[in-house]
Amino acid sequence: DVKVTQSSRYLVKRTGEKVFLECVQDMDHENMFWYRQDPGLGLRLIYFSYDVKMKEKGDIPEGYSVSREKKERFSLILESASTNQTSMYLCASSTLEGYGYTFGSGTRLTVV
Amino acid sequence: GEDVEQSLFLSVREGDSSVINCTYTDSSSTYLYWYKQEPGAGLQLLTYIFSNMDMKQDQRLTVLLNKKDKHLSLRIADTQTGDSAIYFCADTGNQFYFGTGTSLTVIP
Repeated sequence: DVKVTQSSRYLVKRTGEKVFLECVQDMDHENMFWYRQDPGLGLRLIYFSYDVKMKEKGDIPEGYSVSREKKERFSLILESASTNQTSMYLCASSTLEGYGYTFGSGTRLTVV
Repeated sequence: GEDVEQSLFLSVREGDSSVINCTYTDSSSTYLYWYKQEPGAGLQLLTYIFSNMDMKQDQRLTVLLNKKDKHLSLRIADTQTGDSAIYFCADTGNQFYFGTGTSLTVIP
């Protein structure tokens, strides 16, 4: 069964901490994405990547960075976590043409 | 960026049909998707339609695409309480955009 796996289901971090959210896919997909989901705002794209070492900003990249050193792994980094980054974070992957768009089960991050 | 719009809430009685609507603005879409999200879970792919199709049926699900009006709909026949969830449409044109989600409540 093909999968997108996010390393943590729940995470609690302190303000100012550096936070890494990891995502791994086993479908050999070119595209990988990070979204955050907040009530009433739907899914908002933070960053996406269409190839190793390539990244593009989404709608809300401020306060985030990403890393894609290997095709199967896409990491989201919060350099200095803030309380307004408390959210559900969803990773997804797809082929270059946008086929087979698959989500991970999400990481609920709370920054205190 | 693109706008993908959905109504926020829909309530139906068990056994009735549900129709969830979505409008989008990017005309370069190749695929359009419907996802289901149950409480506390990630997004589960329900179905998708290729942009050169008008309709796709998959068991209780029917997807209709009107490219001229940029309108996508998802019909769920014989809606069950287990269908209660948030439903997202997604447009994978030049970028990847999701609607705000429609919260479907099924009343027993």
